[in-house]
Amino acid sequence: DAGVIQSPRHEVTEMGQEVTLRCKPISGHNSLFWYRQTMMRGLELLIYFNNNVPIDDSGMPEDRFSAKMPNASFSTLKIQPSEPRDSAVYFCASSPEWAEAFFGQGTRLTVV
Amino acid sequence: QKEVEQNSGPLSVPEGAIASLNCTYSDRVSQSFFWYRQYSGKSPELIMSIYSNGDKEDGRFTAQLNKASQYVSLLIRDSQPSDSATYLCAVKKSFNKFYFGSGTKLNVKP
Repeated sequence: DAGVIQSPRHEVTEMGQEVTLRCKPISGHNSLFWYRQTMMRGLELLIYFNNNVPIDDSGMPEDRFSAKMPNASFSTLKIQPSEPRDSAVYFCASSPEWAEAFFGQGTRLTVV
Repeated sequence: QKEVEQNSGPLSVPEGAIASLNCTYSDRVSQSFFWYRQYSGKSPELIMSIYSNGDKEDGRFTAQLNKASQYVSLLIRDSQPSDSATYLCAVKKSFNKFYFGSGTKLNVKP
């Protein structure tokens, strides 16, 4: 398996634009997590899905953020409209039941 | 109160010494515990998992869990400059939910 795959690796966008981050989890993993990492706040859990169903989105900072998981092999995190304070590295991770999480390589988002 | 607390460091140790990293967690129902290593600009990678009280050894790494004290630690023996990274403690609770500490930065000086 190629591991968790995220795209794009880098994204630079202007304030106000829509940004969509994509993630393909490891096949057979039933949980998927979206994290945001900044120097100030560390690694923050934004939302996680279990069997494609959103279980907890309490970490989503604002209504500008939304996430979907239409099937077991794909998830998106969307920011609309984007703001400079959204600049961070966004990680997707997947996990089988009661085991460790495996991280993708991350998307570095810069909003100017 | 944060779910997982770590000292941010940096922790500096000389090459060949033992590095000791510590972590506390707030919820007694936490069931699984993990240590991840993150190099600058890279994603976190798992180095140790521990599920029951006591010690677990894997090469130069030893994880220690004390559920009564809600405490997890990671010992790195014979520290090498390549061990210089940020170490993240993670706790897994019900419904497969992970919580991460803010990480401890380790510097191993040659």
